[in-house]
Amino acid sequence: GDSVTQMEGPVTLSEEAFLTINCTYTATGYPSLFWYVQYPGEGLQLLLKATKADDKGSNKGFEATYRKETTSFHLEKGSVQVSDSAVYFCALSDKGAQKLVFGQGTRLTINP
Amino acid sequence: KAGVTQTPRYLIKTRGQQVTLSCSPISGHRSVSWYQQTPGQGLQFLFEYFSETQRNKGNFPGRFSGRQFSNSRSEMNVSTLELGDSALYLCASSWGPGGANTEAFFGQGTRLTVV
Repeated sequence: GDSVTQMEGPVTLSEEAFLTINCTYTATGYPSLFWYVQYPGEGLQLLLKATKADDKGSNKGFEATYRKETTSFHLEKGSVQVSDSAVYFCALSDKGAQKLVFGQGTRLTINP
Repeated sequence: KAGVTQTPRYLIKTRGQQVTLSCSPISGHRSVSWYQQTPGQGLQFLFEYFSETQRNKGNFPGRFSGRQFSNSRSEMNVSTLELGDSALYLCASSWGPGGANTEAFFGQGTRLTVV
């Protein structure tokens, strides 16, 4: 079945550092890909998405590009802030289905 | 516009009891999905409802069930609770039944503790 693998955390960075969180997927079709963020005590918020190969999703300085050839959707940010501290989830969904398959999550801590 | 509302936020139950969780989707949204989040298993899909019909179901035992009402509100029920059912249960709503541009909006979840 479909699956998502994220780099293991936790990840700790200093403010203004460059961030990369790796995400690879396995799917039989051509899924849509997502990054969600979860702040303490909260539900999930959609951070960005890409629906087809070579699409780049971006939001709040975060970016991720849908790479079909490497089945990857790595999350990047050029300069992280303390407020970016959260748990980040990579996810996929088959088109036509409202069923998300999540990676295990990566806890990110940014120190001032 | 109000977001996805889940009630209650916190719940403590005893093993063997049953529990019902509620989810009110964003106004106009007709699809509701449920997920279980635990430290060990992460986020796992339970089921999805669209227009009162279950469209997809995850790999959970029959003790987990759900339904959707004509106003799109949804409930999930867990019978004969086990310690391992302790989790954060998240509900997500979306406008349609899925597709490339259908975004899911999540509620804050119900934290269920089974003792």
